[in-house]
Order: sequence, then C-alpha cells, then structure tokens
Amino acid sequence: SQQGEEDPQALSIQEGENATMNCSYKTSINNLQWYRQNSGRGLVHLILIRSNEREKHSGRLRVTLDTSKKSSSLLITASRAADTASYFCATVPSGGYNKLIFGAGTRLAVHP
Amino acid sequence: AAGVIQSPRHLIKEKRETATLKCYPIPRHDTVYWYQQGPGQDPQFLISFYEKMQSDKGSIPDRFSAQQFSDYHSELNMSSLELGDSALYFCASSPQVNTEAFFGQGTRLTVV
Repeated sequence: SQQGEEDPQALSIQEGENATMNCSYKTSINNLQWYRQNSGRGLVHLILIRSNEREKHSGRLRVTLDTSKKSSSLLITASRAADTASYFCATVPSGGYNKLIFGAGTRLAVHP
Repeated sequence: AAGVIQSPRHLIKEKRETATLKCYPIPRHDTVYWYQQGPGQDPQFLISFYEKMQSDKGSIPDRFSAQQFSDYHSELNMSSLELGDSALYFCASSPQVNTEAFFGQGTRLTVV
C-alpha cells in the first residue's frame, strides 16, 4: 500500500452487529476520507474528517481520527447485509498535495 | 445527477499495443484523478489535474501519459502495454481540491 495498513484485512459479522475498521497512515494529513467499494465497482465516498477534528458522525457511521497516532477508525453500527463491501481509508497529505492516498482496505461481510 | 463517465468499460489489448482511456468528470468539478487498481489491491494514485493543469504525480510509469482537455475531459494514454498493466483504471473528480472524490465505474483493461 502507498499509505499504511488497514486492520483487519477481513471482517465477518452478523446483521445487527457493529463493525469497526482501523486505518494507519504515514504522513501528516490535510484530511482523511473513507470510501466503500462493492466488488469490481467504483468507490463511493462515505465521510471526510479534517485533521483538526477528532470525531465525526454520518447516519450509522462514526469516524475517529488520532493524528498523534496517525490512525483512524470507522464504526458501522447495526450493520446490514447491504453493507457487505470493501472499505478503504484515504488520506490527503498536508503540504499542498492534490491526491488521495489509499490504504489496503478491509473486506467486510455481513451475514443475514 | 450526473456522475463521472469512463469509457470504454472494458478493453482487451495485446502486449506492446497502446490503449487510451477516457474520463468525463462531473460538470464544474475542477480536479480530476486517475487511479490503477490491481486484483485485491488498493487503488494506486497515478496522476491528478487541477483546472486542466497537471498538479500531482504518483507511481505512473513513463509509458503512461495523461492530459485534460479544454472541455475538461481527461485521457490516460498507455503505450507498450505489459501483462502487468491489466487492472481496473478509475477516474475521479472533485468539486474542489482536497474534498470528496466522485469515482467513475472504471475501465477494466486486460492485456493478453
């Protein structure tokens, strides 16, 4: 990966359970974003958290950011089978860069 | 709502041939990105444009080039294709630098 690691690489849960995915990155950032990808399809933006924010919510999603540890977590509450997908974090490096650097992704399987 | 359009969706080329991938960003988006995603891999940043000017470059082989035209569409040109170039190629656009990116459905390139 150009960025760092995501943890876990794969996660299998039952509907209704919560899913937590973690992401680590290497450089100082402007912001961090989470994306979802269904198999072989385009990536869909879920949420953006800026470097001066610590937590953000959007519907069933909760994202935290710890810039001192260079890490972020994505929590999906009350998961549904339709949440089955790969989830990637992506960072925008600070310093005027115009790019998103993706982590390795977590494959989430939610079983009915 | 208009999305990012990529063409073609699928492309089969032989080794040493040339391929041209096209991307039509969302209207009034000023930033375009190109990514390469191998099977089971995270998206790798290739190149970005801001207002039709190249703004950032990633791990893009010298055999690849890209440009953005006056009508804002972008093309990724790939020459002397190798088997290892087989991948999904995504284009994305953003309404502003360092904000959320909207991805197209990708072009699946197979080099045989």
